[in-house]
Amino acid sequence: AQSVAQPEDQVNVAEGNPLTVKCTYSVSGNPYLFWYVQYPNRGLQFLLKYITGDNLVKGSYGFEAEFNKSQTSFHLKKPSALVSDSALYFCAVRDGNAGNMLTFGGGTRLMVKP
Amino acid sequence: GAGVSQSPSNKVTEKGKDVELRCDPISGHTALYWYRQRLGQGLEFLIYFQGNSAPDKSGLPSDRFSAERTGESVSTLTIQRTQQEDSAVYLCASSLSVTAFSYEQYFGPGTRLTVT
Repeated sequence: AQSVAQPEDQVNVAEGNPLTVKCTYSVSGNPYLFWYVQYPNRGLQFLLKYITGDNLVKGSYGFEAEFNKSQTSFHLKKPSALVSDSALYFCAVRDGNAGNMLTFGGGTRLMVKP
Repeated sequence: GAGVSQSPSNKVTEKGKDVELRCDPISGHTALYWYRQRLGQGLEFLIYFQGNSAPDKSGLPSDRFSAERTGESVSTLTIQRTQQEDSAVYLCASSLSVTAFSYEQYFGPGTRLTVT
């Protein structure tokens, strides 16, 4: 069965500093990986995805993520955090060998302080 | 339409009553998904539809939950005899297809259900 782990419930970072939100996954086939962001009282917004190709993928709002097959990770990164980046971030995986279900991690709350 | 829409945005109901939640997917999206998000938790898959294929109901938590979709348009999620543990935000998403794994899902704003 596919699964996703986000080991940190909350990440605190100062504005202007780099940020990392961690994600590890488990699948039997090829992983298709996604990051979503959820702002208060709003639905999830797609940030970026890894399907194949370059391990470093770039997405919306200056975010990027690096696919690491050996470590089964897909950490979300941004070189310089903004206060407006404060939100709930979800990592998700779809197993290429196991149907069409998207499995989400439990979410990580990012708090960027001025 | 511009995005996935859901109605109502908020629903308060008494324990034991039935509720219907509605989702309008993005025009042209053949796949539609329902998720449940309990307070402070991640998303829990409920069901998805792909075109005229039989829906994948593997995530529905009990037989009190059911969903329908007419063609590739509107879907309704029905919860019968609601219980307090059904209180959550119900999110709908759509994507171009389920068979093309690269197609990301686009989410609606959700319906916040409170069972008193």
